[in-house]
Amino acid sequence: AQSVTQLDSQVPVFEEAPVELRCNYSSSVSVYLFWYVQYPNQGLQLLLKYLSGSTLVESINGFEAEFNKSQTSFHLRKPSVHISDTAEYFCAVSDHGAGSYQLTFGKGTKLSVIP
Amino acid sequence: GAGVSQTPSNKVTEKGKYVELRCDPISGHTALYWYRQSLGQGPEFLIYFQGTGAADDSGLPNDRFFAVRPEGSVSTLKIQRTERGDSAVYLCASSPSGGTNTGELFFGEGSRLTVL
Repeated sequence: AQSVTQLDSQVPVFEEAPVELRCNYSSSVSVYLFWYVQYPNQGLQLLLKYLSGSTLVESINGFEAEFNKSQTSFHLRKPSVHISDTAEYFCAVSDHGAGSYQLTFGKGTKLSVIP
Repeated sequence: GAGVSQTPSNKVTEKGKYVELRCDPISGHTALYWYRQSLGQGPEFLIYFQGTGAADDSGLPNDRFFAVRPEGSVSTLKIQRTERGDSAVYLCASSPSGGTNTGELFFGEGSRLTVL
């Protein structure tokens, strides 16, 4: 069975400051990793994903995440946050064994950007 | 719109009543998923359809929950004899392929169910 741990339920940060949202997973097989974001009053949207290849993946709005297999982590970072980044962020994992299709989500981290 | 549509957006019912929640996926998406998100938790998998058939219903909590997708497009999640513990946001997602291991799920805004 897979599980995802997001250690921080809430992260307040000042505008233009850097932020890191932590995600650790456990799985007995190789995995795909995702970060989804939920802006206020909106549905979940994919932010970025790791399937294979380069362990550093980036989003179009300046976020990046690095897959670290030895530490089973997929932390999300941004060097300078904006007010518009205020949202809830969910880390998710799926195993890419044959026939697998489920996403297992963490409990989410609420990022609040303070002006 | 072109996204996943869920109705109703909000549903308040009394304990013991029957509830139906509807999901209209993105046109052409063959895979459809239902998730449930309780307060303070991440989404939890309920059921997955590939076309008309339920490929995996292992996440359904008990036999009061049932879902159908008769024509391979719109899906309905049905909850019988609702209990207060069923209160949650029910999320629907679709994808153009049969597995999330190819990438993105497209989520609707959810149906918030409150059981009094």
